[in-house]
Amino acid sequence: EVQLVESGGDLVKPGGSLKLSCAASGFTFSSYGMSWVRQTPDKRLEWVATISSGGSYTYYPDSVKGRFTISRDNAKNTLYLQMSSLKSEDTAMYYCARHGAVRVSFDYWGQGTTLTVSS
Amino acid sequence: ETTVTQSPASLSVATGEKVTIRCITSTDIDDDMNWYQQKPGEPPKLLISEGNTLRPGVPSRFSSSGYGTDFVFTIENTLSEDVADYYCLQSDNMPYTFGGGTKLEIK
Repeated sequence: EVQLVESGGDLVKPGGSLKLSCAASGFTFSSYGMSWVRQTPDKRLEWVATISSGGSYTYYPDSVKGRFTISRDNAKNTLYLQMSSLKSEDTAMYYCARHGAVRVSFDYWGQGTTLTVSS
Repeated sequence: ETTVTQSPASLSVATGEKVTIRCITSTDIDDDMNWYQQKPGEPPKLLISEGNTLRPGVPSRFSSSGYGTDFVFTIENTLSEDVADYYCLQSDNMPYTFGGGTKLEIK
């Protein structure tokens, strides 16, 4: 059974930093691209970052580029999201999601971890 | 960037009725559209992936159609358990973008 378990969410002040983790199990982690997707309090979904299966390639939308860094440790079956220069608009539930075997479709999602950015 | 316009924002139907949700994209995305169901307190669940492909274990009352810029998601014979938010996602090009969501209620 595919399982993705996020952790690390917290209350952070504007300008602060935080690192999220996503522990994967039930599949060959090193064979799949992975992404982070966030859901804002108004329930809007936004793609945040993608990393290739081997970790060599990363992609970000302009809204987080230069502030967020996605990484992975295939030996530990863990995905990460390092976030810095946090803003109030980064407040959201953060989900890790697995890509499909052939195409992108985010086919499995974790339960999410909550980031609140507030002074 | 491909903008995804989803409609309606909400709808209310009786059990047994048909539900239709539309997503229109601002660029041609071939068949790279995905459809998700999200129930309260849960993460989104993939129902239909690119190529209008029904995911294993998903009831056949869920279906989708479309290619290019116009996509439709359908629920036939809606059940009370289908109450949820539904989202479309274009995965053709980055940034991947979601529709704004449709809240489905049962009368």
